[in-house]
Amino acid sequence: GQQLNQSPQSMFIQEGEDVSMNCTSSSIFNTWLWYKQEPGEGPVLLIALYKAGELTSNGRLTAQFGITRKDSFLNISASIPSDVGIYFCAGQYVGGTSYGKLTFGQGTILTVHP
Amino acid sequence: SAVISQKPSRDICQRGTSLTIQCQVDSQVTMMFWYRQQPGQSLTLIATANQGSEATYESGFVIDKFPISRPNLTFSTLTVSNMSPEDSSIYLCSVEMWRAGGEDTQYFGPGTRLTVL
Repeated sequence: GQQLNQSPQSMFIQEGEDVSMNCTSSSIFNTWLWYKQEPGEGPVLLIALYKAGELTSNGRLTAQFGITRKDSFLNISASIPSDVGIYFCAGQYVGGTSYGKLTFGQGTILTVHP
Repeated sequence: SAVISQKPSRDICQRGTSLTIQCQVDSQVTMMFWYRQQPGQSLTLIATANQGSEATYESGFVIDKFPISRPNLTFSTLTVSNMSPEDSSIYLCSVEMWRAGGEDTQYFGPGTRLTVL
């Protein structure tokens, strides 16, 4: 089955620094999603990408859908303490019996020191 | 996006018992999903809950262990049956919805934190 490799597993950064994380897949997706999960909460959608090469921003967050459709990255600029949480990438292949199924990366744990 | 609620938010259960988790959405949706998130792990899809038909289960998950109901377009339940400590996880429902840009995407509920003793 499809597998996603997300890196890094964890990051410890100073407030104000930029952050970059990425996901790679063994097979193609036609949608990439990035979620953030805080303790005691469900994942919250940050950015959705639907086209190869697409670059989308949401405030200080920027994500790109790789040209090969097998990878995506998420950048956070000028990090702040409330950016703390676990960031998950998720790939979706719409078609056949797998319609709607999301395959998740392992997550990146982000810690921001004030 | 949708407003998704889950009940209960958390529970502590004894092994051998069953727990039914409810998921309610504030608008009609075609596709609902149930995920499991084991401690410190990522999310794994259990099944897709379709209104008017049997749920579709992923490899490693069976209906006898995780029966699902989907009586209408705003509600679904997941039952964790004959629980063991290995079932201690966060159980999340999600829904597929159209966004303003015309594409659809998935939104998640807050999760149900289950501890089995």
